[in-house]
Amino acid sequence: KNEVEQSPQNLTAQEGEFITINCSYSVGISALHWLQQHPGGGIVSLFMLSSGKKKHGRLIATINIQEKHSSLHITASHPRDSAVYICAVQYNFNKFYFGSGTKLNVKP
Amino acid sequence: NAGVTQTPKFQVLKTGQSMTLQCAQDMNHNSMYWYRQDPGMGLRLIYYSASEGTTDKGEVPNGYNVSRLNKREFSLRLESAAPSQTSVYFCASTSPRGGDEQFFGPGTRLTVL
Repeated sequence: KNEVEQSPQNLTAQEGEFITINCSYSVGISALHWLQQHPGGGIVSLFMLSSGKKKHGRLIATINIQEKHSSLHITASHPRDSAVYICAVQYNFNKFYFGSGTKLNVKP
Repeated sequence: NAGVTQTPKFQVLKTGQSMTLQCAQDMNHNSMYWYRQDPGMGLRLIYYSASEGTTDKGEVPNGYNVSRLNKREFSLRLESAAPSQTSVYFCASTSPRGGDEQFFGPGTRLTVL
């Protein structure tokens, strides 16, 4: 089984702060996903990474395959970024394992 | 284009009752998944279907059965519900290439008394 560890579990930030959420996993993977779960419960995919770095707006995701580590960064955070951020690893094509999530609260 | 839909949104069962959770996607995706989400734990894979006509067990399949009725629909059945199956259930699908992002349904909140 691929263990997925996220840190921190909870994060409170002031609007405008730079935020980093970390994800570590234990065995080789084919891809890593970052997901966002809104307070209402809906889950949306933010990024899928197999190497390097991706950027969408204020969100940046990086992965280091050798170190089995990924980070999600949010620049200029905003209260609407408040959500649970979930790291998921994909291997054997159809197997996904998920971290327990990081609950982010951005205060105005 | 509705994406991934799930029914029902909420359900309360008594121990021993049976029910089927329905999931459908209109994106022509090959792979479909059923997950459960419990407080303090990550999503856990119950069953998945890589293509129409095939299903495979995930991490926590005990107490569940699935059926891939056609390419669009993937149902999850609880034959004899137990309180330990109280959870939020999510259906998801991925594109034909398999390695792309997952699209999630809105979830079903199930309580077993």
